[in-house]
Amino acid sequence: AQTVTQSQPEMSVQEAETVTLSCTYDTSESDYYLFWYKQPPSRQMILVIRQEAYKQQNATENRFSVNFQKAAKSFSLKISDSQLGDAAMYFCAYRSGHTGANSKLTFGKGITLSVRP
Amino acid sequence: DAGVTQSPTHLIKTRGQQVTLRCSPKSGHDTVSWYQQALGQGPQFIFQYYEEEERQRGNFPDRFSGHQFPNYSSELNVNALLLGDSALYLCASLSTSGRTAEETQYFGPGTRLLVL
Repeated sequence: AQTVTQSQPEMSVQEAETVTLSCTYDTSESDYYLFWYKQPPSRQMILVIRQEAYKQQNATENRFSVNFQKAAKSFSLKISDSQLGDAAMYFCAYRSGHTGANSKLTFGKGITLSVRP
Repeated sequence: DAGVTQSPTHLIKTRGQQVTLRCSPKSGHDTVSWYQQALGQGPQFIFQYYEEEERQRGNFPDRFSGHQFPNYSSELNVNALLLGDSALYLCASLSTSGRTAEETQYFGPGTRLLVL
């Protein structure tokens, strides 16, 4: 079974600074997807960024980027130029690469990010 | 383009009662998954429906059951409610068939269930 570990329960960052959220996972599969989701107090789970395991290049989406280390099974999220609206709970999630039949997401426990003005 | 919608937003029940939660997937999506999120925790996978059948199930008792309708909408039913069933229930949809198949699940806003 796959597991996802987020060992930092809380982090804080100054507005406009950069912060890195850590995530490690365990799997015996070679084909899979990794995700970072953001969940603000409104509860809506919003996709931040996605990484396919077969791609060596790290995914980026505007101010968000990942550091994907496949051998180390590490998948960290870097948020640059932090904004007040980035304050939320962030979840790392794993999905098997087999399309459709095994598309369940396995989530970490999440990390609460606060942004100081 | 409507995203994933869920109803109701909040619900209060008492122990032993039964509850039904509803989800409409994002337009073009044919697969619906349900997750339970306890306070301060990550979501836990309950089950997934595709072509009106349960395709995959997590480690939840038979008290949790579901249904998918021909229009791809879905219901989650929980019987004999326990205090521990109090949680946020999230629905997520994706497309797993044909040329629109994709890997990303999109979530609804959730239903907050409180069992007293």
